[in-house]
Amino acid sequence: GIQVEQSPPDLILQEGANSTLRCNFSDSVNNLQWFHQNPWGQLINLFYIPSGTKQNGRLSATTVATERYSLLYISSSQTTDSGVYFCAVEITGGSYIPTFGRGTSLIVHP
Amino acid sequence: NAGVMQNPRHLVRRRGQEARLRCSPVKGHSHVYWYRQLPEEGLKFMVYLQKENIIDESGMPKERFSAEFPKEGPSILRIQQVVRGDSAAYFCASSPVWVGQAFFGQGTRLTVV
Repeated sequence: GIQVEQSPPDLILQEGANSTLRCNFSDSVNNLQWFHQNPWGQLINLFYIPSGTKQNGRLSATTVATERYSLLYISSSQTTDSGVYFCAVEITGGSYIPTFGRGTSLIVHP
Repeated sequence: NAGVMQNPRHLVRRRGQEARLRCSPVKGHSHVYWYRQLPEEGLKFMVYLQKENIIDESGMPKERFSAEFPKEGPSILRIQQVVRGDSAAYFCASSPVWVGQAFFGQGTRLTVV
């Protein structure tokens, strides 16, 4: 099956810093989503981004489908950004089931 | 999260009991997915359902686990004769179409004592 690798696995930042999270995938995809799992366990949709670039406030994401990766940018990080960031992909011609990476655990210190 | 409702939020069961987890998808969504998350791990796919049909159950254990999504009412994930290893967070997601954006519920945290 498709391999989804996220890096780095862990990230510690000081409030105000910027960061880039990466998601590599091993096959062509129809769909890619980024999620934030907050410390209470809730999964929050960040971006639905099979290709191109999107921005939402301090967050933005870029997917380069031909090169099989996606990047999530967090600027001016805040303590509320802490949690785990997951990417999930659906492969082209597959069974339309989102497959998750293992996530990047982010801690933002005040 | 666009209204996927899971209940209960927390469920405690003794070994050998049955656990029933319910998921009401976003109104109008006909695709439901169930995932399991163990502590410090990512989400593992279990089963994919459409109304009255199981599309893919390749991630679900062959024994003790079953899922349904009836024509009326919520999707149900049922775990019979629970064991301690079943303790996990179970998430449900729904999407409106094939290759659609999936929205997740808040999860049910099952603890087997």
